[in-house]
This record gives sequence, structure tokens and C-alpha cells, in this order.
Amino acid sequence: GAVVSQHPSRVICKSGTSVKIECRSLDFQATTMFWYRQFPKQSLMLMATSNEGSKATYEQGVEKDKFLINHASLTLSTLTVTSAHPEDSSFYICSARDILTPSSEQFFGPGTRLTVL
Amino acid sequence: AQSVAQPEDQVNVAEGNPLTVKCTYSVSGNPYLFWYVQYPNRGLQFLLKYITGDNLVKGSYGFEAEFNKSQTSFHLKKPSALVSDSALYFCAVRDITPRDDKIIFGKGTRLHILP
Repeated sequence: GAVVSQHPSRVICKSGTSVKIECRSLDFQATTMFWYRQFPKQSLMLMATSNEGSKATYEQGVEKDKFLINHASLTLSTLTVTSAHPEDSSFYICSARDILTPSSEQFFGPGTRLTVL
Repeated sequence: AQSVAQPEDQVNVAEGNPLTVKCTYSVSGNPYLFWYVQYPNRGLQFLLKYITGDNLVKGSYGFEAEFNKSQTSFHLKKPSALVSDSALYFCAVRDITPRDDKIIFGKGTRLHILP
């Protein structure tokens, strides 16, 4: 099956610093990738839809300037948490849909655990 | 807007017994429905999907789900549970609008298989 990777898997940073998370589709191309946030024992909350070559579409209540998304190629999207604070600590998961099968399911990365001290 | 509901926060089943994890949906138009499983500190793994065709959908790891239009349900089932099936299960629906195309998840149901 299709594989999506995320890097890093775990990151600890100081308050005020910025953190970049990479999401890659390893064996397929994706014009659209999705970024989710998951709090402990809760469901996934869609943050934004990342479109290759264009601006991301953010969900209501998600700060665009706080969570910068770049989708530079058909296999890579990045999420940068700028000036991170402890309340940004969470599990961030990306997903992607294969460009060749637009009606297919989304494939998810393994997630990135962000801890802001 | 499309939505799914998972009425149970947790389901406990003895190993070897059949299991059911419930999901109901609310959609306009034809539904695209999914089930995903999440193990601790991991991303989501795809189990199965319904787009069209046979109402009984078979998926990974012996799971299946039945699409029931009259009851607007898409319950996940397995004839004989394994301890390794213990995980968090998410029902999801694809929400396609002129503006975007995204998947909406239910709140999740934690499945405990008791040895």
C-alpha cells in the first residue's frame, strides 16, 4: 500500500522557537495533503488542506500565521509551527491522497509528537 | 455538511467473540465512508471503505462493515476478536464541496479485547 512518512517522529523544543514537520508520500504523488492535530484521547481535527503549488486552505479557527504550510512538490508538504508555546504541544498527523486515484482513501503518516517546554 | 457519529466511547469484547463498533452517518448525496484504526502513538491505518456497490465491505485484518442506507449506519464488524485488535477505531466520511474535498472523522471508539 501507499506509504506516507513524517519527520521528525518526536520533537521537544523551547517556547518561542519554530518547529518544522515534513510529510512525504514515498511511492505515490499527491496534489493534496492534509494536516491534522490530535489531542490525547480525542479525534483528529483537520487543520488545513495543503495544495501543491498553491496556498493552503485552513479550517476555521486555525491561525494561518501560526501554522505555516508549504506544499512545494507532489511528494512533500511541510508544517511549520511558528513561535511555539506549550499549548501547541500535540500529536500532528499528515495524510495524502494518491493523484491517480482521487476517489481513494487518504493515507496517513505515523505522526509527530510535539512537546513545547 | 457531512458528519459521522460514533455513539460508543469504548467497547469491551472477550477474545474470540464477535465484535461490532457502531457508526452512523449524515450526508447529502452519495456517501464515501471509511474505517481507520489507530494504535498508540501511531498514525491511522486504513481498514476499509464504501463508495458504491455491495453493501458488505471486506477490509484488512478480517474486518468488514455493512452499509445500511435505511438506517444510515456503517458498523464495523469482525466475527472473532483478537487481543491485537485492541486499538482506537475511527469512522469517517468524505465531505466534497465546491471549495474543498476532505475527510471528517468521528470521535473514535476505543476497542478493548479481553483475553
